[in-house]
Amino acid sequence: KAGVTQTPRYLIKTRGQQVTLSCSPISGHRSVSWYQQTPGQGLQFLFEYFSETQRNKGNFPGRFSGRQFSNSRSEMNVSTLELGDSALYLCASSRGLAGEGDTQYFGPGTRLTVL
Amino acid sequence: AQSVTQLDSHVSVSEGTPVLLRCNYSSSYSPSLFWYVQHPNKGLQLLLKYTSAATLVKGINGFEAEFKKSETSFHLTKPSAHMSDAAEYFCVVSDPTGFQKLVFGTGTRLLVSP
Repeated sequence: KAGVTQTPRYLIKTRGQQVTLSCSPISGHRSVSWYQQTPGQGLQFLFEYFSETQRNKGNFPGRFSGRQFSNSRSEMNVSTLELGDSALYLCASSRGLAGEGDTQYFGPGTRLTVL
Repeated sequence: AQSVTQLDSHVSVSEGTPVLLRCNYSSSYSPSLFWYVQHPNKGLQLLLKYTSAATLVKGINGFEAEFKKSETSFHLTKPSAHMSDAAEYFCVVSDPTGFQKLVFGTGTRLLVSP
């Protein structure tokens, strides 16, 4: 069974640009969650999508948005990039809602560098 | 609100000696608890999960964790460390009644010396 895949694996952007990251969950999984990981802040929850609806949201500005498609694939968008957005962005999938105890399986992440 | 505290930011052991990574949680609900491991430049891999079926949970690669409600702890142990265990470990609590339903600890970096 294929795991969670994320594309691209590495990305370099400049301040002010926007970026879109993609995540394909494990087959049969309906929930996709996004996390930002930085050395200073650790792992922070961005949002969770289940059946194309955002179910939970972390404490991030509106520049961070996401969506989920009918095949459960998800995209995350960051507009007006700032230097502080440089991070490893992790996607995780689960059968049910992660916030209700369902096990999450993580992708390898997308390393975003903002110059 | 639920929270997770990983008591050590770094733990150093010698190969072949026991590993103890400490995690305390707070939750007003009966939570689900997880341990994940992250090797450098990789995603997180599930080690084990507690969901109230049994207080002693066995995971992959010889790891296990014991849920102690009275101590609100979920410490991760392994009898004998291997060099390949060197990584960062995250304790996670899931509480559907909380505002932030999934909370990650700050991580413990395990260093294993030969």
